[in-house]
Amino acid sequence: AQTVTQSQPEMSVQEAETVTLSCTYDTSESDYYLFWYKQPPSRQMILVIRQEAYKQQNATENRFSVNFQKAAKSFSLKISDSQLGDAAMYFCAYRNRIQGAQKLVFGQGTRLTINP
Amino acid sequence: EAGVAQSPRYKIIEKRQSVAFWCNPISGHATLYWYQQILGQGPKLLIQFQNNGVVDDSQLPKDRFSAERLKGVDSTLKIQPAKLEDSAVYLCASSLLSGRAGYGYTFGSGTRLTVV
Repeated sequence: AQTVTQSQPEMSVQEAETVTLSCTYDTSESDYYLFWYKQPPSRQMILVIRQEAYKQQNATENRFSVNFQKAAKSFSLKISDSQLGDAAMYFCAYRNRIQGAQKLVFGQGTRLTINP
Repeated sequence: EAGVAQSPRYKIIEKRQSVAFWCNPISGHATLYWYQQILGQGPKLLIQFQNNGVVDDSQLPKDRFSAERLKGVDSTLKIQPAKLEDSAVYLCASSLLSGRAGYGYTFGSGTRLTVV
C-alpha cells in the first residue's frame, strides 16, 4: 500500500518570503501522480500543483514549484513571494497512474501561517 | 461548470443517533468518492463508486456506515449508530473515468459532523 508522510505539522513564513513544505512517499509503482492540495477554512480541497512521475522536469505554477526527487521518493513544495492568502492547510497526495480513476492517498498535512 | 455539491454543511448529533450526508457530483463524472477527514489528519478514503457500482470500500466500517449511489449520479453516506470517533469532516469528490488519472478530480466543501 502507498503511504504519504508530511513531517512538518506547522510552518510559518513572513509575507513576501519563500517557504518549502516537505513530503515523502512510499510506493512500489513506477508510474503515478503527485499533488499538493490547499485546504482553507472553507474546507474545500483546492489543487495547487501536479507532477507526473514519468516527467523529469519539476512542475511550476506561478509562485508554486516542486522539487521532485523520484529515487528519494521526495516531493517538496516551494512557495515564493508568500501572500496572506496562502495561509491554509497543505496536503501532499499520491495517485496511481493506471487505467481508470484511482483514489488519492493523503499525507497528514502542514498548517502554513503567513506573518504580515 | 457547477462544483461538487454537499449537504448539510454542519451536523451535530448525539452518539447512537443516525445521520445521512448527500453529495451531487459534477455532471458527467463517473467516479465518486467519500473521504473522512478527522481533525488534524489528511482525508482517508471510505468508499469509491464507479457509476453506481462500488470499486473500493475496504476502509468503510460496514457495521455502522453505508453508502449508495442511485442511478450513478447522487450519493448518500449514512452512519447508524454514530460514535464519538465519527466526528470528522466528510468530503465528497468526483472525477472523470479515464486513463489520465491526474485530471478532473474535484472536491466538495464537505460536511462537518460533531457527535456529542
